[in-house]
Amino acid sequence: DTGVSQDPRHKITKRGQNVTFRCDPISEHNRLYWYRQTLGQGPEFLTYFQNEAQLEKSRLLSDRFSAERPKGSFSTLEIQRTEQGDSAMYLCASSSRTGMGTEAFFGQGTRLTVV
Amino acid sequence: DAKTTQPTSMDCAEGRAANLPCNHSTISGNEYVYWYRQIHSQGPQYIIHGLKNNETNEMASLIITEDRKSSTLILPHATLRDTAVYYCIAGSSNTGKLIFGQGTTLQVKP
Repeated sequence: DTGVSQDPRHKITKRGQNVTFRCDPISEHNRLYWYRQTLGQGPEFLTYFQNEAQLEKSRLLSDRFSAERPKGSFSTLEIQRTEQGDSAMYLCASSSRTGMGTEAFFGQGTRLTVV
Repeated sequence: DAKTTQPTSMDCAEGRAANLPCNHSTISGNEYVYWYRQIHSQGPQYIIHGLKNNETNEMASLIITEDRKSSTLILPHATLRDTAVYYCIAGSSNTGKLIFGQGTTLQVKP
């Protein structure tokens, strides 16, 4: 198992374009999280899935953002009509649901630059 | 989720123990204390977590006060590779959601 994988690692796009990022979690993990991190700040929670169900969405996730996790495996995060303020590192994490606290494993992130 | 407070930055000499404090005075009974670190341009890395008891693993020790209002992460023999931003998080085991603050930037110096 190679851990959490994110693709692409870097994306430069023009304002107004749509972008899609992919996350492949650790295979036996049933929880998957998306976070966003801007320069100098800690990661901010966006949304999470348990299996294929999206259980929580942050108010940060505007209607231009959509996330899916078909069949409870990989996940995609799409941003429509990108804005310069969307420029950030988008991080994915996965974990197993346990009753003893949850250790999350993060991917290396996708760095988005909107020009 | 409870808010945590950490010093903005700390220095530590290589080979010495690094003690990183965290206040979480509003932590609730079912919230765990998690520590993650982030080395520049990488994703956060899990270090350790605990509920009430002190915990130790191959990376670090976690000391939680009896009232659970504060904790200390101890890196017993800091190396230059331990230079990173360290995040203390009080989070529910129900969702696994992590609310990151600003963290402590630890600089390990030769």
